[in-house]
Amino acid sequence: DGGITQSPKYLFRKEGQNVTLSCEQNLNHDAMYWYRQDPGQGLRLIYYSQIVNDFQKGDIAEGYSVSREKKESFPLTVTSAQKNPTAFYLCASSETGAGWNTGELFFGEGSRLTVL
Amino acid sequence: GQQVMQIPQYQHVQEGEDFTTYCNSSTTLSNIQWYKQRPGGHPVFLIQLVKSGEVKKQKRLTFQFGEAKKNSSLHITATQTTDVGTYFCAGLNAGGTSYGKLTFGQGTILTVHP
Repeated sequence: DGGITQSPKYLFRKEGQNVTLSCEQNLNHDAMYWYRQDPGQGLRLIYYSQIVNDFQKGDIAEGYSVSREKKESFPLTVTSAQKNPTAFYLCASSETGAGWNTGELFFGEGSRLTVL
Repeated sequence: GQQVMQIPQYQHVQEGEDFTTYCNSSTTLSNIQWYKQRPGGHPVFLIQLVKSGEVKKQKRLTFQFGEAKKNSSLHITATQTTDVGTYFCAGLNAGGTSYGKLTFGQGTILTVHP
């Protein structure tokens, strides 16, 4: 099946630990994104990547890091520097058009991170 | 920077009643997208509007894009329990420092009482 796979679905972490969330897509999309979702705040962009080996900071990049070594993979690391990491994290992808985001976003099922 | 405000934050309706959510941008948009997220799920794309004043329909759902391309609405006629979820708008900025950036509204949480 074509789509986006995120793992793990649920993750618990102690304060001070880094954690990496996986995101894999087989849609052959160039663009990939990481969003954070908190109650009542919608989706906020953490990082995005338009092409392999390139990525840009979104609105709330502090305390996060990403890599884009392969077209189909865009892992997100939540570092110990992120002050409030407990949240629902959504990975998405899209085809690129004239602008860097002109098409619909396809979302994964999300990863829920809880910091204990 | 660009802001996309969505109201109301919550809406409770009886099954069969209509529902509308509104989206307003602080800047002119190239296009606007709408997504639905079922409880416990992930956002799923519903539609994209591009033209000024555009109106599109999907069965009981009607989507509008304002003439100035700064606001949009989603109207559901005769809600059903399957309509429950959070509805998000997402606007693609037309220019300025946020050119090409997709910004999500806060979402409207719809509950439908049978």
